[in-house]
Amino acid sequence: QVQLVQSGAEVKKPGASVKVSCKASGYTFTSYGISWVRQAPGQGLEWMGWISAYNGNTNYAQKLQGRVTMTTDTSTSTAYMELRSLRSDDTAVYYCARINSGYDSFDYWGQGTLVTVSS
Amino acid sequence: QSVLTQPPSASGTPGQRVTISCSGSSSNIGSNTVNWYQQLPGTAPKLLIYSNNQRPSGVPDRFSGSKSGTSASLAISGLQSEDEADYYCAAWDDSLNGRWVFGGGTKLTVL
Repeated sequence: QVQLVQSGAEVKKPGASVKVSCKASGYTFTSYGISWVRQAPGQGLEWMGWISAYNGNTNYAQKLQGRVTMTTDTSTSTAYMELRSLRSDDTAVYYCARINSGYDSFDYWGQGTLVTVSS
Repeated sequence: QSVLTQPPSASGTPGQRVTISCSGSSSNIGSNTVNWYQQLPGTAPKLLIYSNNQRPSGVPDRFSGSKSGTSASLAISGLQSEDEADYYCAAWDDSLNGRWVFGGGTKLTVL
């Protein structure tokens, strides 16, 4: 069965960077893209960007341009999201999700990774 | 401020039918398909409806979606207590080099 398993919770200081991993299993990794979505405490979902696991092409949300980098390691079927220059308002649960291009939707989600930014 | 507009809350009693609306624009709902996600408390979102009105395998037929112009709606019939959750609409948006956009979410309470 399709599974996306994310790395554990992180606590970071303002100005630091965080890198969250998302290990995929149960499907051909390079046949689907991966999107990252975050959710601040008590808030809604915010799309951060996506990466093609086939060729590494990326598309980032405008507000995060310059601070976020998404990569993949096809040898381990793992996607990564790095966010730099962290601020307190980056505190959120970060989700990876598989993009089903046929459905134009996110059909499987990781369990989420809480990133807390605090001095 | 979310690009797609949803009511912040909705409620109903067991067995009732409730609908949740989602309003967008020509660059998102007006030209692309709509998806709905269900987020139970403390869990990751789950795909509920894709391509406006299609249900993934395992989603009960009590859930249905529709779209007209730049608006969409999710209907839940035969409301059950386990339907209490947050519901989000989403669509691809053709502006700003393309991006996915979400509604602000609707918290459904089963009274």
